[in-house]
Amino acid sequence: QVQLQESGPGLVKPSGTLSLTCAVSGGSISSSNWWSWVRQPPGKGLEWIGEIYHSGSTNYNPSLKSRVTISVDKSKNQFSLKLSSVTAADTAVYYCARNQRRAFDIWGQGTMVTVSS
Amino acid sequence: QSALTQPASVSGSPGQSITISCTGTSSDVGGYNYVSWYQQHPGKAPKLMIYEVSNRPSGVSNRFSGSKSGNTASLTISGLQAEDEADYYCSSYTSSSTLWVFGGGTKLTVL
Repeated sequence: QVQLQESGPGLVKPSGTLSLTCAVSGGSISSSNWWSWVRQPPGKGLEWIGEIYHSGSTNYNPSLKSRVTISVDKSKNQFSLKLSSVTAADTAVYYCARNQRRAFDIWGQGTMVTVSS
Repeated sequence: QSALTQPASVSGSPGQSITISCTGTSSDVGGYNYVSWYQQHPGKAPKLMIYEVSNRPSGVSNRFSGSKSGNTASLTISGLQAEDEADYYCSSYTSSSTLWVFGGGTKLTVL
């Protein structure tokens, strides 16, 4: 079955750029699904960041849109997140997830990213 | 402040039933049948429990059920078990530019 795995630096400096990748295994990223990033600050709730289709079409949360870029690499069966100008408020566990049937049906295990100097 | 409103906590004894509410607006919960529910144990990723208001993914116990009335969706867990103790989040598609919104989460304690 489809599995997702996030990877990337666990520590990012303030004003820097957070970069994460989500590898898709057990299925093709070119299937008829959207692929999302969701984050969860420590002790807090979930926040949708944005999504991408294999064609490259994207949708972003307006609260983060000016700082977010999500891209897809079909040759590597993965998609990526870049979040610029990070602050301590961006410290969170970042999850990648598959959107199917208007729900997030498969999630990665999550990766903790801390913004600190 | 989350877009969808959930109670911060609920509790119940083993074998009992509990219901968690999720209140939104006509732009999200009330306007679409795209409400989903997630279970999250500490340190783990969320797990989809209900999609499209009342559908259970394969493998999810039939003790979990979902419903909606107006702008409020509900998750009911019957026959509570110790393993049900977790945080639960609702989510909905929204006509706003945000597209996907979550509730603030509800901590379920099994007494």
